[in-house]
Amino acid sequence: DAGVIQSPRHEVTEMGQEVTLRCKPISGHNSLFWYRQTMMRGLELLIYFNNNVPIDDSGMPEDRFSAKMPNASFSTLKIQPSEPRDSAVYFCASSFDGNYGYTFGSGTRLTVV
Amino acid sequence: AQTVTQSQPEMSVQEAETVTLSCTYDTSENNYYLFWYKQPPSRQMILVIRQEAYKQQNATENRFSVNFQKAAKSFSLKISDSQLGDTAMYFCAFSAYNFGNEKLTFGTGTRLTIIP
Repeated sequence: DAGVIQSPRHEVTEMGQEVTLRCKPISGHNSLFWYRQTMMRGLELLIYFNNNVPIDDSGMPEDRFSAKMPNASFSTLKIQPSEPRDSAVYFCASSFDGNYGYTFGSGTRLTVV
Repeated sequence: AQTVTQSQPEMSVQEAETVTLSCTYDTSENNYYLFWYKQPPSRQMILVIRQEAYKQQNATENRFSVNFQKAAKSFSLKISDSQLGDTAMYFCAFSAYNFGNEKLTFGTGTRLTIIP
């Protein structure tokens, strides 16, 4: 298995632009998580899906952030408009029924200038 | 809400020595899972070890073992015969055992450096 695949690995964008991060979970996993990692706030859960349905989006910072999971093999996290404070590493993780261990992607480092 | 506390921001040990990383957590759940993740400079999050709260036996994975004290809500990681490749950030994490609450809650991490 190729693991959880995230793209792009790095993204540099200007303030105000739309940014879309992509994630392909491991085949057969039914839970998908988006995390953000910063020096100041550590690892924060943004949103998670179970069987493609959003279960908890309480960590989404504001309306500028949105996430979708149109099918079991693909999810996106969109930021529109982006701001410099959104600069962080964004991780996607997937699991089967949550608690057997979560497999993380390699993350997307987002820089908003 | 669950909280996870790692009180050692940084640690360093000589290669081949044993090191223990501390983690405490707070929860009202009775069934849950605890994890240690490793994040090397490559930034990849790697699962090191997992413990089910209902199991009294401490989990072991090769050189990595845990000391799980449920009553004290403590979950420390012991690394034996440490190697240079163990240099990384280590995160303790908690997950409840019920649908709708499987999210991982992380501690702030411990930066471990193995000295040659």
